[in-house]
Amino acid sequence: NAGVMQNPRHLVRRRGQEARLRCSPMKGHSHVYWYRQLPEEGLKFMVYLQKENIIDESGMPKERFSAEFPKEGPSILRIQQVVRGDSAAYFCASSQLRAGDSPLHFGNGTRLTVT
Amino acid sequence: DQQVKQNSPSLSVQEGRISILNCDYTNSMFDYFLWYKKYPAEGPTFLISISSIKDKNEDGRFTVFLNKSAKHLSLHIVPSQPGDSAVYFCAASAQGAQKLVFGQGTRLTINP
Repeated sequence: NAGVMQNPRHLVRRRGQEARLRCSPMKGHSHVYWYRQLPEEGLKFMVYLQKENIIDESGMPKERFSAEFPKEGPSILRIQQVVRGDSAAYFCASSQLRAGDSPLHFGNGTRLTVT
Repeated sequence: DQQVKQNSPSLSVQEGRISILNCDYTNSMFDYFLWYKKYPAEGPTFLISISSIKDKNEDGRFTVFLNKSAKHLSLHIVPSQPGDSAVYFCAASAQGAQKLVFGQGTRLTINP
C-alpha cells in the first residue's frame, strides 16, 4: 500500500502532555498538508510543508503547535501542553504538485483524545 | 469566514435514484474544485474535480457541474448505490494558493 500513512491511529494524552503525530506521504509526493477536523465540522487547513520547509502555516495556532518535514523521515505535527480543545481528528495529505494543481491524497487520520 | 458552504448537513436518497449534493462558494478567486467522500474512521477519498475553464466533468456515475456566475457547484451521482452512503465534502482552491478550503460536509444516506 503506497498510500499516505499516519500513526498512531489513536492517541490519548492527559492535559499538559505532548502529542506527536506522524505522516509518511505517498511515494513521489513532496507536498504535505495537515488538516484538523473537529466533531461535526469540516476539515480546517493547518499547515503546508515541503521537504525541510514550511510554506504556509496560516491555519496553525500560534502557540503550542509546530510542524516539520525533515529531509529524511516522516512529517511530524507536534502539540505541546495539550488541552481538551485539541481533541480532534488530524489528517495528513500529500500531493505531487501543490494543492491548486492536483488532488490531495489523505491518510486515515490520527484521533487525538485529551483527557 | 466560511468561504465554501454546504448548506445541507444531510441527504437521504433511494437506491437507484439520483443524488444531488450542492456547494456554494464566496471567493471569486477559486478556480479548482474537488469533491471528496469520507467513510467513518477513514480519511477523505478524492472523487472528482473540475477547473474553472469547464462547466461539467463526468467520471462514471459521478458528474460535477460548475456555475461560475452563481458561485455554485453540484455533484450528481446516478444511479445511487448503498456504498455511496458517506459524508461528501466539496473543496476549492485559488490560483497560486497553497491549500484546499473545505465545506462542512453533507451526509448522504442511500436507502434500499
